[in-house]
Amino acid sequence: RKEVEQDPGPFNVPEGATVAFNCTYSNSASQSFFWYRQDCRKEPKLLMSVYSSGNEDGRFTAQLNRASQYISLLIRDSKLSDSATYLCVVNFGNYGGSQGNLIFGKGTKLSVKP
Amino acid sequence: NAGVMQNPRHLVRRRGQEARLRCSPMKGHSHVYWYRQLPEEGLKFMVYLQKENIIDESGMPKERFSAEFPKEGPSILRIQQVVRGDSAAYFCASSPGSRETQYFGPGTRLLVL
Repeated sequence: RKEVEQDPGPFNVPEGATVAFNCTYSNSASQSFFWYRQDCRKEPKLLMSVYSSGNEDGRFTAQLNRASQYISLLIRDSKLSDSATYLCVVNFGNYGGSQGNLIFGKGTKLSVKP
Repeated sequence: NAGVMQNPRHLVRRRGQEARLRCSPMKGHSHVYWYRQLPEEGLKFMVYLQKENIIDESGMPKERFSAEFPKEGPSILRIQQVVRGDSAAYFCASSPGSRETQYFGPGTRLLVL
């Protein structure tokens, strides 16, 4: 089983649509969770951290379900500029000797069309 | 406050040559991480360093790859005797402490001919 698994997409949606991405992770001892965004041939950029209580930042809402080892990202009112690859990222904490390096999913590609 | 800087941005090497990739962390950050992204793949952790110390190199290939973060100057990822399979984007990230938010540099794209 992959450590962090995402649907690769692509998700092709019209402007204004609501789109949801899901992610599962294998290590129940994982300590912190993030969504990063990566534009084509660019570096990953932190979109938001994900907290157990769920959190929202403008049009973006992230949820964490520790029992199911499941993370989600909801984007409302999609913009053309939201087109990118969305990376689900997990930090295993001290598990297995890890010192805090990030474990990345392969990413879900989103394309927002006019 | 300048972000994480990496150079060169693009590097072309022939098989058997050496590649040296440099990373300057954000000001105030003493923790540096290197990740590799193969074409159509996710980022994979390689090594985590603090000043003058390698903290975790569990993701580094056993041969030809080495990393350092000297007391002065940037962190260096060194690949000796490069092979075509080393062609990838190499990203450096820095953070102010372990397990804190990591900020990524623009990456170095290595092409091995």
